[in-house]
Amino acid sequence: AQSVTQLGSHVSVSEGALVLLRCNYSSSVPPYLFWYVQYPNQGLQLLLKYTSAATLVKGINGFEAEFKKSETSFHLTKPSAHMSDAAEYFCAVSNNNAGNMLTFGGGTRLMVKP
Amino acid sequence: EPEVTQTPSHQVTQMGQEVILRCVPISNHLYFYWYRQILGQKVEFLVSFYNNEISEKSEIFDDQFSVERPDGSNFTLKIRSTKLEDSAMYFCASSKAGGPSYNEQFFGPGTRLTVL
Repeated sequence: AQSVTQLGSHVSVSEGALVLLRCNYSSSVPPYLFWYVQYPNQGLQLLLKYTSAATLVKGINGFEAEFKKSETSFHLTKPSAHMSDAAEYFCAVSNNNAGNMLTFGGGTRLMVKP
Repeated sequence: EPEVTQTPSHQVTQMGQEVILRCVPISNHLYFYWYRQILGQKVEFLVSFYNNEISEKSEIFDDQFSVERPDGSNFTLKIRSTKLEDSAMYFCASSKAGGPSYNEQFFGPGTRLTVL
């Protein structure tokens, strides 16, 4: 079985400040990990993914995440927050079978203050 | 840019009624999925579909649920006899191929189902 925990359902940062959204996973097999973003009234959009290549993954909109096996973590960061980053962010883990099921964390709502 | 579309955006139904939620996946994608998100809870996997059959399903996807690809473009989720606890946002997704290395799932905007 696999699971994902996102610490902090709400995170608030000032514009220009560092963004850090936490994700920890558990998986009985080597995981594939994803971060999705959801803007209001829209679907989930893939930010980045880890598929066992480089442990530091760069995504869209200046976001990146680092896979740390020893910590079972895949935290999402961005050096400088922008107002347009305000959204809900979901971490997800995939199993390795043909069904491609994604298991999601509970989500973190990022608020950016001017 | 191609995108997954879903209709309707909001569906209100009476308990016990049947509903069909519709999705048009991206045209060259081969794998299709349904997820749901009950208000305030996690996004949960329901089912994946490939080559006209179910690849994987969760415990949530019981006998009251079914999926179908009735033609070359649509992918539907049917709930036969809705319950209050089926009220949720339902997301459709599609991907080009299977296997996590290629498994970028593209999500639609969702259908909000309200069961009264």
